[in-house]
Amino acid sequence: QKEVEQDPGPLSVPEGAIVSLNCTYSNSAFQYFMWYRQYSRKGPELLMYTYSSGNKEDGRFTAQVDKSSKYISLFIRDSQPSDSATYLCAMKGTGNQFYFGTGTSLTVIP
Amino acid sequence: DAGITQSPRYKITETGRQVTLMCHQTWSHSYMFWYRQDLGHGLRLIYYSAAADITDKGEVPDGYVVSRSKTENFPLTLESATRSQTSVYFCASNKDSYGYTFGSGTRLTVV
Repeated sequence: QKEVEQDPGPLSVPEGAIVSLNCTYSNSAFQYFMWYRQYSRKGPELLMYTYSSGNKEDGRFTAQVDKSSKYISLFIRDSQPSDSATYLCAMKGTGNQFYFGTGTSLTVIP
Repeated sequence: DAGITQSPRYKITETGRQVTLMCHQTWSHSYMFWYRQDLGHGLRLIYYSAAADITDKGEVPDGYVVSRSKTENFPLTLESATRSQTSVYFCASNKDSYGYTFGSGTRLTVV
């Protein structure tokens, strides 16, 4: 079983829709949770990070962590064509290695 | 400019050849990492380094060699390239728990 599971999609939504991206994980020691956005032929860029459980909001983006269910989510409100990218979740415990999901490909249609 | 740079951006090499991918960061971050990204597998850690002269294996180290004589550089060498090493390679660095900064990647094709 992989440490981190992420539905690869692809996900296609109309502009303005609310997007929900999710990951599950198996290691209860994970404490730091991140979401990365990766445009085609580019490196991943850090979008949001959360420590432990709870919600964090940044503009149109909201990250949620439910440690009891080992489940994290990223919500994108009022999605824009510029949000079209692959979104990767990542997480780690007390060590320095991050564990990544395989990524979900998102297309926002104008 | 500050940041993390990888070179070359694209590389085609033949099976059995040695090839080195370069990574340079300007922040003096302690930790540096090499990942490969393949469809269906996502990002897989090859090697990482906690400081100069300290390196350790990741999930998929076979066929790769790393060194870190200076904090800012972390080259990755494929000793004898195989077709299965065709991939996109990303270098990353971080100084704390809040995520990596990735380079732009090297797209390697082994023919």
